[in-house]
Amino acid sequence: DIQMTQSPSSLSASVGDRVTITCRASQSIGTYLNWYQQKAGRAPKLLIYAASSLQNGVPSNFSGGGSGTDFTLTITSLQLEDFATYYCQQSYSAPDTFGQGTKLEI
Amino acid sequence: QITLKESGPTLVKPTQTLTLTCTFSGFSLSTSEVGVAWIRQPPGKALEWLALIYWNDEKRYSPSLKSRLTITKDTSRDQVVLTMTNMGPVDTATYYCAHRIVGGTFHWFDPWGQGTLVTVSS
Repeated sequence: DIQMTQSPSSLSASVGDRVTITCRASQSIGTYLNWYQQKAGRAPKLLIYAASSLQNGVPSNFSGGGSGTDFTLTITSLQLEDFATYYCQQSYSAPDTFGQGTKLEI
Repeated sequence: QITLKESGPTLVKPTQTLTLTCTFSGFSLSTSEVGVAWIRQPPGKALEWLALIYWNDEKRYSPSLKSRLTITKDTSRDQVVLTMTNMGPVDTATYYCAHRIVGGTFHWFDPWGQGTLVTVSS
């Protein structure tokens, strides 16, 4: 299985900040990388697919980048509703695998 | 609008078999390229992909759980059923079903059901 490692595991930030979350794959996965946001007690919500494509309805202050083994999720101008846990997921090779999550705290 | 909802027992005893149903609307599992996946999340932990069923009835399972899992679909009722045998405390988790979208050679999960918490305890 492809291992996905996110860093940091947790991150403290303030409203208006810019933050970047990193996801590293144990082998090259091209751009087969998706990002999800999960708020407490809720189901994950798709933010970014294919490494950099923004899902319809997701605010433009979210962006994704990277290819191969290293990927980033960047959130500019943090809003209160952005404080959540973020997961990356590789869809290059079965089984799909997720990172361990990055909790973004105020 | 696509929606999915999981249903099943909230408490199972060790060694029992878990049966979960995902009832969906807004798409058909007889449409080419469509799939429904099951994904679980132990309390406070990360997401784990379990199984996937395609429109053509092809099935995929997590290698580590393959011997315990069965996924089936009932297209006429817009449902996908997951069974997991020999449940143990480590299987305590929120179980989600999710709609699998394909874009070229890419795929992703959107949307997800609300999830159902299953606790394994005697």
